[in-house]
Amino acid sequence: GDSVTQTEGLVTLTKGLPVMLNCTYQTTYSPFLFWYVQHLNEAPKLLLKSSTDNKRTEHQGFYATLHKSSSSFHLQKSSVQLSDSALYFCALSDGNNRIFFGDGTQLVVKP
Amino acid sequence: AQTIHQWPVAEIKAVGSPLSLGCTIKGKSSPNLYWYWQATGGTLQQLFYSITVGQVESVVQLNLSASRPKDDQFILSTEKLLLSHSGFYLCAWSQDWGNYAEQFFGPGTRLTVL
Repeated sequence: GDSVTQTEGLVTLTKGLPVMLNCTYQTTYSPFLFWYVQHLNEAPKLLLKSSTDNKRTEHQGFYATLHKSSSSFHLQKSSVQLSDSALYFCALSDGNNRIFFGDGTQLVVKP
Repeated sequence: AQTIHQWPVAEIKAVGSPLSLGCTIKGKSSPNLYWYWQATGGTLQQLFYSITVGQVESVVQLNLSASRPKDDQFILSTEKLLLSHSGFYLCAWSQDWGNYAEQFFGPGTRLTVL
């Protein structure tokens, strides 16, 4: 069945350093991939989305490239800020209104 | 602008008691609607989705049910709560133009079952 795997449960970094949060997926359909960010006690919000192979998508300093050959959609940022501390979810749409979320990666940015 | 409202904000209920959570979308006609459950600090589990009034599809079985009595309203309910029902319940909507649509989440309802 369809699924999303996020390998890091917790990532702790110092402000200004680069980050990459891993996301791989499994689906038999044409994939639609998303990254959502959830700050403490808030609802998740869309950060990025893509369905185009090998095309980089960017928003708010974050970027990701969908690679269908490796079934990956890793999230990156070149320089993290304190305000980036949040829970990040990778999600997959199966094209039939079913959305599969990964377990989430908690990003903690320290001064 | 579209707004999404969930009620109540929080609930503390006893095991075995009934539950009804509500969600209303304003400013968007015929949205796709979704219910999600989230354990504290955990992943989002899609529970139900609805693409039109009166039609609801179940994604997982958690002894919960959902209904869409109006175009802008989505209700989540159960007749008998379990301890495992505790968590954060999120309603979401998306544009009715395909499956690449961004999901817009409501503020959520925090449920504690004792």
